[in-house]
Amino acid sequence: DTGVSQNPRHKITKRGQNVTFRCDPISEHNRLYWYRQTLGQGPEFLTYFQNEAQLEKSRLLSDRFSAERPKGSFSTLEIQRTEQGDSAMYLCASRLGTGNTGELFFGEGSRLTVL
Amino acid sequence: GQSLEQPSEVTAVEGAIVQINCTYQTSGFYGLSWYQQHDGGAPTFLSYNGLDGLEETGRFSSFLSRSDSYGYLLLQELQMKDSAYYFCAVRDRGAGGANNLFFGTGTRLTVIP
Repeated sequence: DTGVSQNPRHKITKRGQNVTFRCDPISEHNRLYWYRQTLGQGPEFLTYFQNEAQLEKSRLLSDRFSAERPKGSFSTLEIQRTEQGDSAMYLCASRLGTGNTGELFFGEGSRLTVL
Repeated sequence: GQSLEQPSEVTAVEGAIVQINCTYQTSGFYGLSWYQQHDGGAPTFLSYNGLDGLEETGRFSSFLSRSDSYGYLLLQELQMKDSAYYFCAVRDRGAGGANNLFFGTGTRLTVIP
């Protein structure tokens, strides 16, 4: 399978703990996005990478959130000192850098539950 | 910022045609995309309009009017498997450049026999 891969698929943690999610995009895709989705809502944009450069961060992304893409391939999203409001599905998406048609390829997501 | 509006729920009969509307407000607009998401699944791309007019892909068509900040997704010959959430998303010039997608809150389509 050469689609976008996310790990872990599910994470249950206690409030105050740190969690990290990993995203492996489609191999030739140099653009990578993180979104957050809660039940009944659309994906909310969090951040965007072009290769290893983080070009944009949403105002939703508090200082407890940090994302990296150190070698321009996989990316990690870390949430420090988790809060119950962080419970959501965290989606990663990727695309090629050329011929933008508004198409992103999404992974299956990492579901976070904060107790 | 970006603002998108679409109906929260639509119900239609199998075999019929349904239209899901989307109005948007944004700066630096580049285009409008449509995505489908089944319960528990990932959003999957359906269609994109960068210019005014109709784009057709099989049973799905999408329309855009940039002057009206309006678009719609048209689903024909509805099948039970089309029951899902449908999101419109604007391709917008974000602070870091173009090509960020901002999603609406989604329309839940229920297809009934």
